[in-house]
Amino acid sequence: NAGVMQNPRHLVRRRGQEARLRCSPMKGHSHVYWYRQLPEEGLKFMVYLQKENIIDESGMPKERFSAEFPKEGPSILRIQQVVRGDSAAYFCASSPPSGTGGSGANVLTFGAGSRLTVL
Amino acid sequence: SQQGEEDPQALSIQEGENATMNCSYKTSINNLQWYRQNSGRGLVHLILIRSNEREKHSGRLRVTLDTSKKSSSLLITASRAADTASYFCATVVNTNAGKSTFGDGTTLTVKP
Repeated sequence: NAGVMQNPRHLVRRRGQEARLRCSPMKGHSHVYWYRQLPEEGLKFMVYLQKENIIDESGMPKERFSAEFPKEGPSILRIQQVVRGDSAAYFCASSPPSGTGGSGANVLTFGAGSRLTVL
Repeated sequence: SQQGEEDPQALSIQEGENATMNCSYKTSINNLQWYRQNSGRGLVHLILIRSNEREKHSGRLRVTLDTSKKSSSLLITASRAADTASYFCATVVNTNAGKSTFGDGTTLTVKP
């Protein structure tokens, strides 16, 4: 059981380029969450997805950011026209369907994160 | 605004001492969870306490929850150098609506 896999682990982009971050949830998990963490800060919620559905995107910036979780393949967080302020660690987490997996309490399993640096 | 706020922001203790971290939140919750993050790594789930529970234990961890004060504490007993990490509380308001809301964390340093 490989856990939550994120790639790339490190990504360097120049201002104006696009960044794509990928997340494969833990086996059996159908819920995916993306969080952003700035240095010395906590995690800020961005978006919550289930297969082919965005459930809650209240933490996503209105422009340049998008996320998807297709029927097949990993979840993708896409940042267009990156700016220096986008430099951060982006963490993906997954959880089993509500009411399953033992706790039914939204216990999250996190990936190791993708660290984006914008030059 | 952040749901959870940890206190203190940083804590430095000697090995063998106990470490206590506090978390306050603003709205009613379904459950509260504590996570640990080692430097440069993802978060690892430590313990969960539901809104109808007052205290939970897991190994050297003890968590309390006071819903009237909207606060929780995490106690690590007999700390070890390997406990050095950042600790975050996370609140879940609605298990069907998904998201967990994290505080800014307490950075714990345990000196050998």
